[in-house]
Amino acid sequence: DGGITQSPKYLFRKEGQNVTLSCEQNLNHDAMYWYRQDPGQGLRLIYYSQIVNDFQKGDIAEGYSVSREKKESFPLTVTSAQKNPTAFYLCASSLIFKAGVSDTQYFGPGTRLTVL
Amino acid sequence: GNSVTQMEGPVTLSEEAFLTINCTYTATGYPSLFWYVQYPGEGLQLLLKATKADDKGSNKGFEATYRKETTSFHLEKGSVQVSDSAVYFCALREVTGRRALTFGSGTRLQVQP
Repeated sequence: DGGITQSPKYLFRKEGQNVTLSCEQNLNHDAMYWYRQDPGQGLRLIYYSQIVNDFQKGDIAEGYSVSREKKESFPLTVTSAQKNPTAFYLCASSLIFKAGVSDTQYFGPGTRLTVL
Repeated sequence: GNSVTQMEGPVTLSEEAFLTINCTYTATGYPSLFWYVQYPGEGLQLLLKATKADDKGSNKGFEATYRKETTSFHLEKGSVQVSDSAVYFCALREVTGRRALTFGSGTRLQVQP
């Protein structure tokens, strides 16, 4: 089955620690995205990547870092510089837009990060 | 910049009632519009989409029509079920550049038997 997997489902971090959230897709999608969801709010874009070895900051990139060494993988590191990291993190992927090709974004199941 | 405004919830309905969740947007150009649904503790699932004015997206009894003149994309369903209880997000996708999604704040729907 094709899809997007995220791990772990739940993650606990002590203050001052860096943690890395995994996102893998086997849909052969070009673009991958990380969003953050806070209670009662919509999702906000952290980082995105449209091609291997390239990525761009989204709207709330401070305190986060990413890498895109493989097409199918886009891990997100939440660093100690992120002041309020407790949230639900969602990874998404899509094809790159081309005429006649749908570039709908599909989402993984999410990782809930809690800072202790 | 782009923005999406949804009606605040929760919306509480009895089974078989008619559902409307309002969504309006502000954007440059002609974005694509989406409704996603989120069940407790899960990621987002695409419910329906529309890519140009007057398009109607539909899925599982839900419908929404892309209204350019009113910049709206209201979600409707004729007869809701308990299993429709979830949070519904309206979103638009940027036409160019990063093509990321801009989301509304979500509307929680609670359907009672």
